Amino acid sequence: DSGVTQTPKHLITATGQRVTLRCSPRSGDLSVYWYQQSLDQGLQFLIQYYNGEERAKGNILERFSAQQFPDLHSELNLSSLELGDSALYFCASSVGNFGEETQYFGPGTRLLVL
Amino acid sequence: AQKITQTQPGMFVQEKEAVTLDCTYDTSDPSYGLFWYKQPSSGEMIFLIYQGSYDQQNATEGRYSLNFQKARKSANLVISASQLGDSAMYFCAMREGGDDKIIFGKGTRLHILP
Repeated sequence: DSGVTQTPKHLITATGQRVTLRCSPRSGDLSVYWYQQSLDQGLQFLIQYYNGEERAKGNILERFSAQQFPDLHSELNLSSLELGDSALYFCASSVGNFGEETQYFGPGTRLLVL
Repeated sequence: AQKITQTQPGMFVQEKEAVTLDCTYDTSDPSYGLFWYKQPSSGEMIFLIYQGSYDQQNATEGRYSLNFQKARKSANLVISASQLGDSAMYFCAMREGGDDKIIFGKGTRLHILP
């Protein structure tokens, strides 16, 4: 158990819908990272937050948004969902800002868009 | 152009042998970090090791070491004394200092044979 929790574990929804994925980092970790893993695109970095502020942005679509709250949990919002958004979404956390510290991954949320 | 190249889609190795997983990268940024992750068939993502571009010594973490050859832009992962539990997908990734995005390779699937 990495100490990072993600909810829900599985999510099935329809095209055009909006969903919210939630991540709670390990106690004491200030950075949260979001990743997407799909068969077409492989593993992609989406976005990083550090202590409530956006730190780095990867291949995150405009239909997607994220935030980190004062209690450091983070949410990834996916809207106007398309079939191609079906993927495994990971959240990871680390103590500091840059990536050299160990990143601890949550178990992932598997999203299926029908 | 591919920023991270993992040329071995799959490898079969006898248990107890050492394994080298190849990774080459492409960047003009003098400041960058290189990462290796492991993903067993259960799907969770495990952070293994990190190497900074300015680090003088190769990173090591237990049975994992990173063979960092800066001039060749290569960051191979070496697993010593392989175990059956090392069977997994392995991803190499890079973070450039300029924009801090994390870019992943397509991965190498490692099979350890008893």
